[in-house]
Amino acid sequence: SQELEQSPQSLIVQEGKNLTINCTSSKTLYGLYWYKQKYGEGLIFLMMLQKGGEEKSHEKITAKLDEKKQQSSLHITASQPSHAGIYLCGADEGAQKLVFGQGTRLTINP
Amino acid sequence: SAVISQKPSRDICQRGTSLTIQCQVDSQVTMMFWYRQQPGQSLTLIATANQGSEATYESGFVIDKFPISRPNLTFSTLTVSNMSPEDSSIYLCSAEYGTGRLTQYFGPGTRLLVL
Repeated sequence: SQELEQSPQSLIVQEGKNLTINCTSSKTLYGLYWYKQKYGEGLIFLMMLQKGGEEKSHEKITAKLDEKKQQSSLHITASQPSHAGIYLCGADEGAQKLVFGQGTRLTINP
Repeated sequence: SAVISQKPSRDICQRGTSLTIQCQVDSQVTMMFWYRQQPGQSLTLIATANQGSEATYESGFVIDKFPISRPNLTFSTLTVSNMSPEDSSIYLCSAEYGTGRLTQYFGPGTRLLVL
């Protein structure tokens, strides 16, 4: 089955700084989701990427899928305390089932 | 965006008892999914629930432990049976839908603590 590895596992940044989270797959990605999870709560959908080279942005968050469709990155510009949480990438395994990376815990220091 | 609600949002239960978690979606969907997130871990798919048929369970999960109902296209329940402390987790339901490109949305989760 597909495996997703996220890096880093945790990240502490100063408010206002930029940051990048990576998600690498063991297989070609046919659908890659990014979610944000506040501690102990549900998942908030951020973006979904399907095409090689695809890039999407929402507010200060940009996600990219590489041309080979095996790696995705999530970039946050000018981070704010509201960006704190756990970021999860999820890959579509087919039949709408998702397999997830282990998550990246983001802390923003004021 | 989609609205998926879950009840209860959290519960504390005694070992040996059972808890039924409800999931309601604001649109009709073919498939609904139940995931488990153990403390400090990522999400693991428990089963896929189709309306009008038996749920399909992933490896490591069985119907006797996690019976699922799917009575219509907007609702599903997951029961955690004969609970033990190892069942303490967040349980999340999800569904894929939308206009144009389908997107998978998740409910807010049910936080379960078994004593």
